[in-house]
Amino acid sequence: GENVEQHPSTLSVQEGDSAVIKCTYSDSASNYFPWYKQELGKGPQLIIDIRSNVGEKKDQRIAVTLNKTAKHFSLHITETQPEDSAVYFCAAGSARQLTFGSGTQLTVLP
Amino acid sequence: NAGVTQTPKFQVLKTGQSMTLQCAQDMNHEYMSWYRQDPGMGLRLIHYSVGAGITDQGEVPNGYNVSRSTTEDFPLRLLSAAPSQTSVYFCASSFGGGGNQPQHFGDGTRLSIL
Repeated sequence: GENVEQHPSTLSVQEGDSAVIKCTYSDSASNYFPWYKQELGKGPQLIIDIRSNVGEKKDQRIAVTLNKTAKHFSLHITETQPEDSAVYFCAAGSARQLTFGSGTQLTVLP
Repeated sequence: NAGVTQTPKFQVLKTGQSMTLQCAQDMNHEYMSWYRQDPGMGLRLIHYSVGAGITDQGEVPNGYNVSRSTTEDFPLRLLSAAPSQTSVYFCASSFGGGGNQPQHFGDGTRLSIL
């Protein structure tokens, strides 16, 4: 089955700096790569996703890049704000199921 | 719209007890799934359903049963609870597809097995 590795497990940045979270996947059949943000006591919420026919996607301060050859994808958050503090999950999906990484606790320091 | 609603929010059980975690969605989504979330392990798929009357196993199905009699509801049953099933459980739904569509998650059920 699919295996998704996510790094780092914790990340602290100063407010206004950029944050980068990286994931690798193993199954070449995966064609959908979403990122979820989870705040304390809540369920994960989709923040951005990318499909395998696209190399990069941007939505305001958030961007995701995908390298299909190397089987890795990354989340980039620019101009971080305290409200960006949360746990972020990457995932790799195919027709059958979605497999999640182990999560990154992002802390934005004021 | 309420989205995905999970009940109860918290539950404490004794080893060997049974219970049902409820999940309902009002978005007419065909695909529904259950995940468990444990520290440092992300979310792991327990069972999923591609439509009423159709269910299948995910990565960690042992100890759990599901059924899907309607589009809206997808309950998860623990037949004989074990301490290893202490976790946070999330239900999700999506329009069509399976793992390649945006998932809408409920806010979870926090379950402790003593």
